[in-house]
Amino acid sequence: EDKVVQSPLSLVVHEGDTVTLNCSYEVTNFRSLLWYKQEKKAPTFLFMLTSSGIEKKSGRLSSILDKKELFSILNITATQTGDSAVYLCAVRNNAGNMLTFGGGTRLMVKP
Amino acid sequence: DAGVIQSPRHEVTEMGQEVTLRCKPISGHNSLFWYRQTMMRGLELLIYFNNNVPIDDSGMPEDRFSAKMPNASFSTLKIQPSEPRDSAVYFCASSESLDIQYFGAGTRLSVL
Repeated sequence: EDKVVQSPLSLVVHEGDTVTLNCSYEVTNFRSLLWYKQEKKAPTFLFMLTSSGIEKKSGRLSSILDKKELFSILNITATQTGDSAVYLCAVRNNAGNMLTFGGGTRLMVKP
Repeated sequence: DAGVIQSPRHEVTEMGQEVTLRCKPISGHNSLFWYRQTMMRGLELLIYFNNNVPIDDSGMPEDRFSAKMPNASFSTLKIQPSEPRDSAVYFCASSESLDIQYFGAGTRLSVL
């Protein structure tokens, strides 16, 4: 059974801080890892990672995958209050079309 | 595109009643997923369809839950009879590629 563990469970920082969120996984026949941001409503897609060592970047957010050590990190630099959300990590294997989600990291950015 | 559309946004019902949740996927997407989210268990996949055919329903908790996808633009998730432990947010998601799923705004269900 595929498994995704995220850490920390929750995090409180101040605006301007840099944060690193962690995602470790166990999956048979890994295909991809995805990051989502969930505010009050639906999870919204951030990144999809398939290859080790290649950084994906979007503004102040970036993510990288290590397929040898089976983890990914999501970095947010110069955090803003609008970054407050639950960040979800999910993995997909080659066997099907399903995503297995981690429990999420709840980030709160204080002014 | 309007994105994945779910209705209703909120549903409050009494134990024993039938509940039907609805989803319209993004046009052109061939896969549709139903998830349930609770504080205790996080985001759990209930069932997914590919080209309107149910592929994996192993996440459906019990026979009280059923899902249909009569055509490419509509799906329903039905709970009959509903129980208080079914209270959760139910999300529908759709995808075109096999990886990126796009989520609807969810239906918050409260069973009293």
